[in-house]
Amino acid sequence: EIVLTQSPGTLSLSPGERATLSCRASQSVSSSFLAWYQQKPGQAPRLLIYGASSRATGIPDRFSGSGSGTDFTLTITRLEPEDFAVYYCQQYDSSLFTFGPGTKVDVK
Amino acid sequence: QVQLVQSGAEVKEPGASVKVSCQASGYTFTNYYIHWVRQAPGQGLEWLGWINPNSGGTNYAQKFQGRVTMTRDTSISTAYLELSRLKSDGTAVYYCARDRYTSGYRFFDFWGQGTLVTVSS
Repeated sequence: EIVLTQSPGTLSLSPGERATLSCRASQSVSSSFLAWYQQKPGQAPRLLIYGASSRATGIPDRFSGSGSGTDFTLTITRLEPEDFAVYYCQQYDSSLFTFGPGTKVDVK
Repeated sequence: QVQLVQSGAEVKEPGASVKVSCQASGYTFTNYYIHWVRQAPGQGLEWLGWINPNSGGTNYAQKFQGRVTMTRDTSISTAYLELSRLKSDGTAVYYCARDRYTSGYRFFDFWGQGTLVTVSS
């Protein structure tokens, strides 16, 4: 089973700043099967990025994904107040899905 | 529009079973797998498995093998998650999610609102 590790655990930033979130896999992951989700308190997760770098429908272009192999990155170029949330990466391999532990982006 | 609507909160004693439903609308139910994901209080997301609503075929995470059963009723576009022999660590919000497997990509594009299951004596 592929294990995902996310860093940092918490990222404290101010609105307007740039956020860089990391997702590392224990073995190589197909970029096609790497996704990012945003979750706010009391809400279900929302798809942000699929295929490592493709934005989901309706997702603003300040969100971008990159990476390949074992290292993937979610970047938020200029944080808006509604972007403070928890972000999870997810991978699919051999009929199994796993999620990373999440990165919380909170207000500095 | 695509919607996944889940059943309401449950309180169960340790050792009991719980069955959560997820009713789909706005798309052809049998064309997309349904996954179940849970989230313990203050914790991250944990994948339980999927069901193919067309065939009824399932695939469960190894951790839940023997305790989880996923079924569906295509006549009412509803998927079910049953978890038996509940333990106190089974207290969590259980989500269903639609699997979008397209053009070589795979991800969860729509999620239910979640069902809180509390395990307590």
